[in-house]
Amino acid sequence: DAGVIQSPRHEVTEMGQEVTLRCKPISGHDYLFWYRQTMMRGLELLIYFNNNVPIDDSGMPEDRFSAKMPNASFSTLKIQPSEPRDSAVYFCASHIGGLYYNEQFFGPGTRLTVL
Amino acid sequence: KQEVTQIPAALSVPEGENLVLNCSFTDSAIYNLQWFRQDPGKGLTSLLLIQSSQREQTSGRLNASLDKSSGRSTLYIAASQPGDSATYLCAVRLTDSWGKLQFGAGTQVVVTP
Repeated sequence: DAGVIQSPRHEVTEMGQEVTLRCKPISGHDYLFWYRQTMMRGLELLIYFNNNVPIDDSGMPEDRFSAKMPNASFSTLKIQPSEPRDSAVYFCASHIGGLYYNEQFFGPGTRLTVL
Repeated sequence: KQEVTQIPAALSVPEGENLVLNCSFTDSAIYNLQWFRQDPGKGLTSLLLIQSSQREQTSGRLNASLDKSSGRSTLYIAASQPGDSATYLCAVRLTDSWGKLQFGAGTQVVVTP
């Protein structure tokens, strides 16, 4: 298996622009997570999906952030409009069934820089 | 509120020495604990997962122990190699938040040849 795939790997944009990050989970995994990592705050969970349905988005920092999962093999995280404080590495992770007991597998991340 | 702490924040050892990485958590109500490795500019790689009912897990040169009652886990890496240089993070899966993972800040390890 190719693992969790994320694109783009790097994104540089200007403040106010829309940013869309993409994720393809491991085939067969029914849970998908979006995380953000910064030096100041470490790893933070933004939102997670189960069977393509958003279950908990309490970690989404503001209304500027939105996430969708139109099917089992694709998810997007959108920031509109972007701000410099959104600069971070965004990770997507997935795992299969049994929410509480299984390993999460992470993608390589998207490094976002907002100028 | 669950807090996960990893001390030290950074560690440097000569090649061949055994590595001992510590993770402590304040609330013993966890489902499991997972150790990850993160290389610079890369994602997290899962190393070991220990269920709350287990005391340890082993994979090759890696051994992780869990003492839930005292809120501690230790990751041992035997006979360290320069390729073990990375940041190691632990994460606990909480019982009171639908199984959310709570991460420590990590220990940055450098193994010198």
